[in-house]
Amino acid sequence: GAGVSQSPRYKVAKRGQDVALRCDPISGHVSLFWYQQALGQGPEFLTYFQNEAQLDKSGLPSDRFFAERPEGSVSTLKIQRTQQEDSAVYLCASSDPQGLAGLTDTQYFGPGTRLTVL
Amino acid sequence: AQKVTQAQTEISVVEKEDVTLDCVYETRDTTYYLFWYKQPPSGELVFLIRRNSFDEQNEISGRYSWNFQKSTSSFNFTITASQVVDSAVYFCALIGRGNDMRFGAGTRLTVKP
Repeated sequence: GAGVSQSPRYKVAKRGQDVALRCDPISGHVSLFWYQQALGQGPEFLTYFQNEAQLDKSGLPSDRFFAERPEGSVSTLKIQRTQQEDSAVYLCASSDPQGLAGLTDTQYFGPGTRLTVL
Repeated sequence: AQKVTQAQTEISVVEKEDVTLDCVYETRDTTYYLFWYKQPPSGELVFLIRRNSFDEQNEISGRYSWNFQKSTSSFNFTITASQVVDSAVYFCALIGRGNDMRFGAGTRLTVKP
């Protein structure tokens, strides 16, 4: 079956531009996550959706970052007025909502979008 | 607070050697999952294994094995008879009651022919 897909795979933006990154989760997965991975580091949590509800946005680094999932399927991560420090790989993951004792189940990741801000 | 530590930044071995990747974690949750993911040069994170906090049985899958010890808060990963295709960055991760999965910094494994 199809996995998580993300587009574009690569994005180059000039500082100050707005960008939009798309994630298409595995069909039937109600939970969706966004992560930011800086070069040479592990992914860091940004935000979490269950269906269309954004239940946790504690990892978003600033109010320039905004995520939405209006119909509970495809999600878009938007970064306004990009800065050089936003350069990173943005990873999307999806999962079934409930694992053991209410824990979030295994997350399956897309290929990521590599954002370079010049 | 939750934390995952992978002290080995880079490991280099010759093909057919065995190699162990270390992972130590911290959490106050009594119920949690631990994971290992592989990130090859293509960049996609590939799920390898999940263990829950109630199951300390070691697991073997082909050349891969995992040793989970709650007493030392460790979840180590061993590759037996390594192959060039095992070259990648490996991440250990933890998720507890919250929704934010915590990753270690990763260990870059290079297997030379």
